[in-house]
Amino acid sequence: DADVTQTPRNRITKTGKRIMLECSQTKGHDRMYWYRQDPGLGLRLIYYSFDVKDINKGEISDGYSVSRQAQAKFSLSLESAIPNQTALYFCATSGLAGSSYNEQFFGPGTRLTVL
Amino acid sequence: AQSVTQLDSHVSVSEGTPVLLRCNYSSSYSPSLFWYVQHPNKGLQLLLKYTSAATLVKGINGFEAEFKKSETSFHLTKPSAHMSDAAEYFCVVSSGGATNKLIFGTGTLLAVQP
Repeated sequence: DADVTQTPRNRITKTGKRIMLECSQTKGHDRMYWYRQDPGLGLRLIYYSFDVKDINKGEISDGYSVSRQAQAKFSLSLESAIPNQTALYFCATSGLAGSSYNEQFFGPGTRLTVL
Repeated sequence: AQSVTQLDSHVSVSEGTPVLLRCNYSSSYSPSLFWYVQHPNKGLQLLLKYTSAATLVKGINGFEAEFKKSETSFHLTKPSAHMSDAAEYFCVVSSGGATNKLIFGTGTLLAVQP
């Protein structure tokens, strides 16, 4: 069973539509992250959350919002999708290992196309 | 600020020959460094990580990387490429501290020729 799951795996939508991408984890981690991947750019951080009451912007948060509904769930929303938000989106989690947070565990990704 | 530079966007090798994927980092302190692999239409999988212990780090599937502080490098190597190694590889540095944000390189696409 996958530890980090994302739904949907693929989504095609139109400009101006509201879209929600969901992430769930069974690893018991307190930290969760949303990234987008674009060809030739690697992964860039959109938002991250250290717990249910702690939400932080990443380097490219404009046009996105998030909700941490529970420790295990972290959703990413595009309020009004635009074509340059077409990308592969990844959710990740990390937990305390020893005295530090370190490795992040990634979901399988959601491929979003905005027409 | 931390950053990583992957020196090659594409690398092509023949099956059975060595693999070298190059990564240089920039960090104001002793960094945590990672290599992740992404196979086609798959998520990211951790290959190996360096967290200030041994400078030669062994990972999964026969990969290893050596942390060289004097050269600010963390190159990924494998003695003999296999067809299943064809994938995109990302060198990653952690921001460390309380935030633990990961900063990704732009990726190196490895092709393995039969």
